[in-house]
Amino acid sequence: DTAVSQTPKYLVTQMGNDKSIKCEQNLGHDTMYWYKQDSKKFLKIMFSYNNKELIINETVPNRFSPKSPDKAHLNLHINSLELGDSAVYFCASSQGRPNQPQHFGDGTRLSIL
Amino acid sequence: AQKVTQAQTEISVVEKEDVTLDCVYETRDTTYYLFWYKQPPSGELVFLIRRNSFDEQNEISGRYSWNFQKSTSSFNFTITASQVVDSAVYFCALSEGNSGGYQKVTFGTGTKLQVIP
Repeated sequence: DTAVSQTPKYLVTQMGNDKSIKCEQNLGHDTMYWYKQDSKKFLKIMFSYNNKELIINETVPNRFSPKSPDKAHLNLHINSLELGDSAVYFCASSQGRPNQPQHFGDGTRLSIL
Repeated sequence: AQKVTQAQTEISVVEKEDVTLDCVYETRDTTYYLFWYKQPPSGELVFLIRRNSFDEQNEISGRYSWNFQKSTSSFNFTITASQVVDSAVYFCALSEGNSGGYQKVTFGTGTKLQVIP
């Protein structure tokens, strides 16, 4: 019973391509997040959705577009992939209140050739 | 703005040694929450503990203990009698209580702990 699942686990593609990463949570949480973890392990918030509404949108290139069809899903679409996009992308969910821990997916390792 | 500093980038200890991971935070809020997460070599991020700003009681869970001191804005994590399975990157994180009801978490840069057999 995976709580937060994201697919694919690995994504290898060429520069300039468009790709999507999907995320689903079955915890009944109302808030979902996308994080980017670079090669130095720095974790940076990219987006956050609460009940399908965008509430956090950090300084991220507009090539990255999140989509939340319902509160259990938050997908990430990336256009025109660049070498600098290579990273591990984590999806997470929580109840959205400041005192609640976040539950993370296993990550998607994106490698740009 | 909130900030979390984990000054120790990497720590190596020999198995059975005790080790403390430091975390110093900055916030202007009077209500905030601190977290520790573990990221083992397999890559997943696992929640370990949460602390509220109004509760300075230290906590022990098995070999793990956490020391929260508001006076020094620190939330340190100690592993007693370390084991190889403790090898991981550990992240300290801060969530402010007055972020419009929503949660925005700031993570520290992580401390990589290597426990040598």
